[in-house]
Amino acid sequence: AQKVTQAQTEISVVEKEDVTLDCVYETRDTTYYLFWYKQPPSGELVFLIRRNSFDEQNEISGRYSWNFQKSTSSFNFTITASQVVDSAVYFCSATPDNDYKLSFGAGTTVTVRA
Amino acid sequence: EAEVAQSPRYKITEKSQAVAFWCDPISGHATLYWYRQILGQGPELLVQFQDESVVDDSQLPKDRFSAERLKGVDSTLKIQPAELGDSAMYLCASSLGDRSSPLHFGNGTRLTVT
Repeated sequence: AQKVTQAQTEISVVEKEDVTLDCVYETRDTTYYLFWYKQPPSGELVFLIRRNSFDEQNEISGRYSWNFQKSTSSFNFTITASQVVDSAVYFCSATPDNDYKLSFGAGTTVTVRA
Repeated sequence: EAEVAQSPRYKITEKSQAVAFWCDPISGHATLYWYRQILGQGPELLVQFQDESVVDDSQLPKDRFSAERLKGVDSTLKIQPAELGDSAMYLCASSLGDRSSPLHFGNGTRLTVT
């Protein structure tokens, strides 16, 4: 069975600090897809980024960057120079290539203080 | 950008009553999902449709929950009778259907059972 683990329950930072969210996907599958979603207080889950397990190139998009290491199945997500509007719950999720079921972690609540 | 539409936004009902939620996915999205999110937890899949067919309903409490997507477009999720433990956010999502495609979520229906 697959399992998505977000070890951090809550993170609180001051504006302009960087925030790194950890995620580990436990699976025996060699091909899978990883996603990060943001859920602001309004409740809607918003897709942020996607990574395929066969592509280990790390990327940066604006203030977001992610680091995928297949050897440890970790898919960490960093917000650079955080802003108050980044305050939300962030969910890591994953689906194996042989199954359509998308599993979510428990979420990490990020609070950015002005 | 096209959105997933859900209604109602909020629903308060008494236990043992029937309740129904509606979802209209993004046009052209063949796959539709219903998730339940209990406060403080990640979303859990209830049912997944591919067009009008159920792909996965293994986590749907079938003694009281039912879901349909008769014409392969919009969908209805019903609970009858509602129980106190059903209080949660019910999220609908849609996607193009391949495993690498992200899910697009609606705003959800916040259900409170009294």
